[in-house]
Amino acid sequence: NAGVMQNPRHLVRRRGQEARLRCSPMKGHSHVYWYRQLPEEGLKFMVYLQKENIIDESGMPKERFSAEFPKEGPSILRIQQVVRGDSAAYFCASSPPKEYPWGQYFGPGTRLTVT
Amino acid sequence: DAKTTQPPSMDCAEGRAANLPCNHSTISGNEYVYWYRQIHSQGPQYIIHGLKNNETNEMASLIITEDRKSSTLILPHATLRDTAVYYCIVRLVGGSNYKLTFGKGTLLTVNP
Repeated sequence: NAGVMQNPRHLVRRRGQEARLRCSPMKGHSHVYWYRQLPEEGLKFMVYLQKENIIDESGMPKERFSAEFPKEGPSILRIQQVVRGDSAAYFCASSPPKEYPWGQYFGPGTRLTVT
Repeated sequence: DAKTTQPPSMDCAEGRAANLPCNHSTISGNEYVYWYRQIHSQGPQYIIHGLKNNETNEMASLIITEDRKSSTLILPHATLRDTAVYYCIVRLVGGSNYKLTFGKGTLLTVNP
């Protein structure tokens, strides 16, 4: 049973470009969560999605960031017009429809570097 | 969610038990204790969780005090691959409470 998959694992973008990060949840998991880890800081919740629905995006920066989880295909975290401060590791996690008791299962992350 | 307090770092000899403490004195009756770890540059890994009773799985044991104000994660025979940051997280399960709030955790270094 494959775990949570994220791609690309490393992404380099110049300031002003767009970054697209993909997350394929574990088989049978319909809930996806995105977290960000800035250098030398802890993980911070960004957004929680179910298929075709954004449930909570309270942790998303107000501008330039968006997320989706379409009926078919992976979840996408999109960052428009990237700036140096967006450089971080972005982790996706997934859980079954009923999260308890298994918790959230994390992918290996995408490391975004903005030059 | 209740706040947790963990020591910033701990050392352990390879093959010995690693006992990682966590204080959560403001925990409420329906909040669970979860443990995750993050090996350098990897995604966090779920380890174990509990409510009141002690729990054990193939990775670790979780001991929760009777008053639930603290807990200890036990890795019975630590290996070098257990070197990681360990996070103790307290939260409600279910309803609209799904965010994991990560603190600074404990950096466990397993020494040969």
